[in-house]
Amino acid sequence: AAGVIQSPRHLIKEKRETATLKCYPIPRHDTVYWYQQGPGQDPQFLISFYEKMQSDKGSIPDRFSAQQFSDYHSELNMSSLELGDSALYFCASSLGRGEVGNIQYFGAGTRLSVL
Amino acid sequence: KNQVEQSPQSLIILEGKNCTLQCNYTVSPFSNLRWYKQDTGRGPVSLTIMTFSENTKSNGRYTATLDADTKQSSLHITASQLSDSASYICVVRGNMLTFGGGTRLMVKP
Repeated sequence: AAGVIQSPRHLIKEKRETATLKCYPIPRHDTVYWYQQGPGQDPQFLISFYEKMQSDKGSIPDRFSAQQFSDYHSELNMSSLELGDSALYFCASSLGRGEVGNIQYFGAGTRLSVL
Repeated sequence: KNQVEQSPQSLIILEGKNCTLQCNYTVSPFSNLRWYKQDTGRGPVSLTIMTFSENTKSNGRYTATLDADTKQSSLHITASQLSDSASYICVVRGNMLTFGGGTRLMVKP
């Protein structure tokens, strides 16, 4: 079965550069979530989209933005990168907005290293 | 191919009852296995982490087991509470993290 696809798998950037992470949800899933996981930490919710509209917002910095496109894939844009942005970025998708019974399926993550 | 399969996909139990969630994996090489609890609309919260040499680990009413030979893990919840209603996700670390699809637990009064 198709899973959540994230690209790239690894990304190395320098401070003050920009980065774009992509997420392709499971076919027919209409909701996408972004999480950031620092070393030794639990994933922190950043933002989610339902039917191409922002659904919920978590601890996403103002330097980051995201959107969901007409084909339901999502991109997380990160500007003015800082050393502290180095982390694993996970995308998850679900059918529906997280109501009871809806399960989020996670991608393998993108490891971002900011030098 | 690295895979993590969880069962059941969803579960409804009465408050006070016990339940066991299953996680089977084919991740290789194996580094560790972690159980997360994820409340609706929130990020996952780690419950337990187990390495190859650990068979059982408890965190309050949560007890996780690991059988590295059969590549199976379970999460046992005792004396369930309404606040246990959440998704429980099994994540196995090998060369990368592989997430299971989760079990959606609903505890009813």
